[in-house]
Amino acid sequence: ETGVTQTPRHLVMGMTNKKSLKCEQHLGHNAMYWYKQSAKKPLELMFVYSLEERVENNSVPSRFSPECPNSSHLFLHLHTLQPEDSALYLCASSQDLGHTDTQYFGPGTRLTVL
Amino acid sequence: DQQVKQNSPSLSVQEGRISILNCDYTNSMFDYFLWYKKYPAEGPTFLISISSIKDKNEDGRFTVFLNKSAKHLSLHIVPSQPGDSAVYFCAASARYGGSQGNLIFGKGTKLSVKP
Repeated sequence: ETGVTQTPRHLVMGMTNKKSLKCEQHLGHNAMYWYKQSAKKPLELMFVYSLEERVENNSVPSRFSPECPNSSHLFLHLHTLQPEDSALYLCASSQDLGHTDTQYFGPGTRLTVL
Repeated sequence: DQQVKQNSPSLSVQEGRISILNCDYTNSMFDYFLWYKKYPAEGPTFLISISSIKDKNEDGRFTVFLNKSAKHLSLHIVPSQPGDSAVYFCAASARYGGSQGNLIFGKGTKLSVKP
């Protein structure tokens, strides 16, 4: 499989649940990203990893916990979420962190928090 | 405060005609701009980009124009095809500044191309 894949594609969870989103890239890239897209809002950058080290955390609540075990995999661990966290969560990767490095996106996970 | 604005949430165009999608930005540090296209149930896919040292970049039916003095860019699609129907996102990044390399996105414009 090529490109950026995300699982699951859809997730419904209660506010007390713990779940994880998974992203995998098959492009040999060194940088990976988590974005959130809420209805009627632009994509918001959540986390940036470069060579498995977190380089940016855009004031994201601690109920979202990222993990990057290697340069091909990125996880977003979720616990005690709120209904307003319902959104499309997109993973992306790029060759490096250069500002002209094209980011390639996965299909996203549609998350609903009840 | 939005740094990248796409003021038209939707646009409808007849097949074969030109589609023009607009984007405005406020941060003068932005020096690299991109357009992404997104179909339902898929992630955004990169379409075309332009550096601030240029005012035009063309790739097949797609041309991006940059007007730095007006802080405005536009994407022209000609001729438009029904398969172009999608949401188009404008994005910008800066070499320098607090979040260099990060992409700042607009809200998107939904393009519908009617046969």
